[in-house]
Parts: sequence; C-alpha cells; structure tokens
Amino acid sequence: DADVTQTPRNRITKTGKRIMLECSQTKGHDRMYWYRQDPGLGLRLIYYSFDVKDINKGEISDGYSVSRQAQAKFSLSLESAIPNQTALYFCATSDSLQQGSYNEQFFGPGTRLTVL
Amino acid sequence: AQKVTQAQTEISVVEKEDVTLDCVYETRDTTYYLFWYKQPPSGELVFLIRRNSFDEQNEISGRYSWNFQKSTSSFNFTITASQVVDSAVYFCALSELSPRAGNNRKLIWGLGTSLAVNP
Repeated sequence: DADVTQTPRNRITKTGKRIMLECSQTKGHDRMYWYRQDPGLGLRLIYYSFDVKDINKGEISDGYSVSRQAQAKFSLSLESAIPNQTALYFCATSDSLQQGSYNEQFFGPGTRLTVL
Repeated sequence: AQKVTQAQTEISVVEKEDVTLDCVYETRDTTYYLFWYKQPPSGELVFLIRRNSFDEQNEISGRYSWNFQKSTSSFNFTITASQVVDSAVYFCALSELSPRAGNNRKLIWGLGTSLAVNP
C-alpha cells in the first residue's frame, strides 16, 4: 500500500464549487505539505503543517484553506474554485527528526483538478 | 534570497548516451540541503538524493551520480548509459531556513529539466 495517498486522483468541477482534496499518510511523519504544479512554473507551496497545531501559509495560499485533522491527515479546500486553480496538486510528508536538519519529502500520487 | 536554477528546460538524448542535468543554487545559509527528485510520465514525484552542505563527496548510485561543488554553487546530476525508463522531469531543490519556523526549513524548487531518452 502507498505510504502517502491522495483522494480523489482526478476531479473536474465548475467555477464556484467547493472542493476538498484529502491526503493521508502512514509514514508516521509529523510534517505535511500541499503543493500545486503548473506547466512552466514548477512546484509551488500552498500550505504546510509541522504538527497538528501548526499550520502555515506557503507562497500561494490565497483561495485555499487547509485542515490538519490528525497527524496522518491533511486536507486542502478550495472554497470557491476558479479556472486558474486548474493544476496538479501534490501532498507531501517529511519527518522532523533532528533539530536543524532537513529531511526529504515524500509525495503522494497527485490529484489532477480541472475547474471549468 | 534562495534560488534554484535549472537552465536546461529540455534535453533529448539517444539511449546509452551519458547525460548531465545542471543545477545551480543561491543561498546565504551556511548549512543547507540539496535534493533531486524524478517525475516520470506517470506523474508521481520520486525522491532520489539528499546532500548536506558539509558533505562535498560525490555520490554514485548505479548509473546515477551527483557532483556537488560549493565553489560553483552547483549540484549536477549525471545519468550514465541512459535508458528509455530514465525519461522524466528532474527537479533540483534547496532547503531554506524559515525564520518563522525556527530551524525548520522549506524547499525551494527549480523548474525542472525534461529529459527524453530515445531508443
């Protein structure tokens, strides 16, 4: 079974609809992230959470919100979807381990979202 | 400001050729980490390697090798005897010290290099 799962894998929706993307992990990591990927723009960080009570905005958080329901679950919501939120969305996790260290992030399979 | 540049947007080679993917970074941190990830056509992102700023030894893993040079702020990735299965987008990333999060760090991503290995 995959360590980081995302649901749904694909979603087509209409402008103005509320959408929730879910991420679950079995790696036991305390840090979780949401990214979007657009052609030519690479990966951009939307939100990140270093533990259940710590949620931070990334570089492009406008139009998005998140919820860290448990250590293993991190959801991304689009309250009112718009066409320029059409993108590939990735959830990622990492382990904090040592203070001052930095560990690699492990990614889910991605959710392809299309907003019409 | 921290920055990662992958100047090669697309590379196309013939199978069995060697290919090097360039990554140049900018940082004011004295301690930092560099990463390479692979994104095959199926879309998932696969971690390949992590390197910290104190370790300038080259790394070799099978057909993959990485050359880290602090003097030129580069962390280049070479695939020897490339295969069709190596076709993917490859991302280089740099850890950034986030003042708002103490010693916790975020990743700064390059825009990726799309590698096509043709039979």
